[in-house]
Amino acid sequence: NAGVMQNPRHLVRRRGQEARLRCSPMKGHSHVYWYRQLPEEGLKFMVYLQKENIIDESGMPKERFSAEFPKEGPSILRIQQVVRGDSAAYFCASSATSGVETQYFGPGTRLLVL
Amino acid sequence: GDSVTQMEGPVTLSEEAFLTINCTYTATGYPSLFWYVQYPGEGLQLLLKATKADDKGSNKGFEATYRKETTSFHLEKGSVQVSDSAVYFCALNPSNTGKLIFGQGTTLQVKP
Repeated sequence: NAGVMQNPRHLVRRRGQEARLRCSPMKGHSHVYWYRQLPEEGLKFMVYLQKENIIDESGMPKERFSAEFPKEGPSILRIQQVVRGDSAAYFCASSATSGVETQYFGPGTRLLVL
Repeated sequence: GDSVTQMEGPVTLSEEAFLTINCTYTATGYPSLFWYVQYPGEGLQLLLKATKADDKGSNKGFEATYRKETTSFHLEKGSVQVSDSAVYFCALNPSNTGKLIFGQGTTLQVKP
């Protein structure tokens, strides 16, 4: 049973470009969460999605960031017009049902903005 | 608001030493508590969890007890190995919302 998959594992962008991060949840999981880990810090919640719905985006910056989890395909975290401060590791997690369930994490995407 | 505080690292131990990593939390309601481990360059792996007061989570020789009276969830292991070297994160799921709140992480280095 494959775990949570994320790609790419490493992504380099220049300032002003767009970054697209993908997350495929564990088989049978319909809830996806995105977290950001800045250097030397713990993980911070960004957004919680179910299929075709955003449940909680209270941790997402108001501008340039968006997330979706379509009916078919992976969840996408999109960062437009990246800046150096966006450099971080972005982790996706999934759970089987509601927020009460244990979350299982992917390997992360490490974004470097030059 | 809800928060998690972990002891600062790095913690450096010799192989077979006893490990304690302190974790205290602030939360309303009855959160679930977790310990995750992150090896270099990898994602987080669930180490153990506890869902209610007095529950003890255990896995791979690690254990932690959910203490509501002291709002703590300290991680312990009786005899550490070099392979346990990693960053350990304490986390809570406030009111089971799915919005995990993490501590800042504690780096453990085990020397042979």
